[in-house]
Amino acid sequence: GQNIDQPTEMTATEGAIVQINCTYQTSGFNGLFWYQQHAGEAPTFLSYNVLDGLEEKGRFSSFLSRSKGYSYLLLKELQMKDSASYLCAVMDSNYQLIWGAGTKLIIKP
Amino acid sequence: DVKVTQSSRYLVKRTGEKVFLECVQDMDHENMFWYRQDPGLGLRLIYFSYDVKMKEKGDIPEGYSVSREKKERFSLILESASTNQTSMYLCASSLAGESQPQHFGDGTRLSIL
Repeated sequence: GQNIDQPTEMTATEGAIVQINCTYQTSGFNGLFWYQQHAGEAPTFLSYNVLDGLEEKGRFSSFLSRSKGYSYLLLKELQMKDSASYLCAVMDSNYQLIWGAGTKLIIKP
Repeated sequence: DVKVTQSSRYLVKRTGEKVFLECVQDMDHENMFWYRQDPGLGLRLIYFSYDVKMKEKGDIPEGYSVSREKKERFSLILESASTNQTSMYLCASSLAGESQPQHFGDGTRLSIL
């Protein structure tokens, strides 16, 4: 079966760095997406990786290793507004998105 | 900016009712999707559409149907609502292409009593 694993919840301190991991087992791979979802709001697109390596976008970076079925989202200089759920999703061989359950990130002052 | 609009933020219906959830996007996207989101689970795809009048079943289509008569509008229909369909329903749209991100509406929190 297809599976996306993420930690359920993480806690970090304002101003620090946090890494949210995502491992996947899917039938084929056509890219990996990260989304942010604040409570009660729509998911919003953060990043897309299809090749191995690190993609940097401001305070947020996303890394992919296709051989290991592994990605992480790195958030630097954490701000209180970064408190949200972070969703990992993999596009499989049928071009369907398979979603993880999301990681709830709690930022403490 | 892409705007995906869902007709209701909150909706309460009774078991056995026929329920319509509407979704409209304003960016001429080819693809549209309906998901449900439940605590502790990833988004689950109900139906999707790649073109007008075209629909494909997702992972959990049972008890649902869809309609896409116009490119900008994708409707989800609960034929006979049941309590296990109480959930958050999210509509999304995207351009064609595997690298294109999906853009989501704010969701409809549906309660079936």
